[in-house]
Amino acid sequence: DPKIIQKPKYLVAVTGSEKILICEQYLGHNAMYWYRQSAKKPLEFMFSYSYQKLMDNQTASSRFQPQSSKKNHLDLQITALKPDDSATYFCASSQERVSNERLFFGHGTKLSVL
Amino acid sequence: GDQVEQSPSALSLHEGTDSALRCNFTTTMRSVQWFRQNSRGSLISLFYLASGTKENGRLKSAFDSKERRYSTLHIRDAQLEDSGTYFCAALGGGADRLTFGKGTQLIIQP
Repeated sequence: DPKIIQKPKYLVAVTGSEKILICEQYLGHNAMYWYRQSAKKPLEFMFSYSYQKLMDNQTASSRFQPQSSKKNHLDLQITALKPDDSATYFCASSQERVSNERLFFGHGTKLSVL
Repeated sequence: GDQVEQSPSALSLHEGTDSALRCNFTTTMRSVQWFRQNSRGSLISLFYLASGTKENGRLKSAFDSKERRYSTLHIRDAQLEDSGTYFCAALGGGADRLTFGKGTQLIIQP
C-alpha cells in the first residue's frame, strides 16, 4: 500500500506539449521534493518544499513549475516539453526538511517525450 | 559541487556470499542514506545514518563518524532478492538536497 502516490506511472508526450505529474503523500510529512533520474545519470535534485513553500530549486529551466495545492500534494508542471526531458521523475517526502530526516520516495513517473 | 563516488559500479555474486559497497565523498557530509532500486524502478529506503552503524537483518551500514567522508553497506549471505541497484545519497554542508552516487548494480546468481 504505497504511501506516496505518483500519477501517472507512465506518460508519453509530444515535443512542445505540457504535462502535469501528480504527487500525493499520506505519511503526514511536511517536506516534499522532486528528483529526476535520466538514463546514465545519477538521481538529481530538482525542488524542495516545506509547509507548501519553495525552499530550494536546482532546476535551471522555468519550464518546470512545482505546484502545491494542499500540504500533502506537490505536483510538477512541465511546459514546452523537449525530448531531453525524458526521464523518470520521483517525488519524495520527509517529516521535516531533509537536513535531519530520512527521505521516502514514490514509485516514479516515467516520462517519454517524442 | 559535492560529489559522491560509489564503488564498485557493478558486482555479480553467488547466493550465500558477502559483499561490501562503498561511497566516498569529496567533502564532509552531514548524513548518508542508502537505497535499493528494484527492477520496477522503485526506490526503497534501506538506511539513514547521521553517524555510526545500523543493522537490519543481513544488511549493515556504517558512516565514518570521524571525517564523515565515506560510508559502507555490507550485505551478508546474499539472496536472489537482493539484486538491484544500490544508491547512496549524502547531505552536504550548505544545501538541504541529497547528492546521489551513480549506483552499484548488484546481481545475485543462484
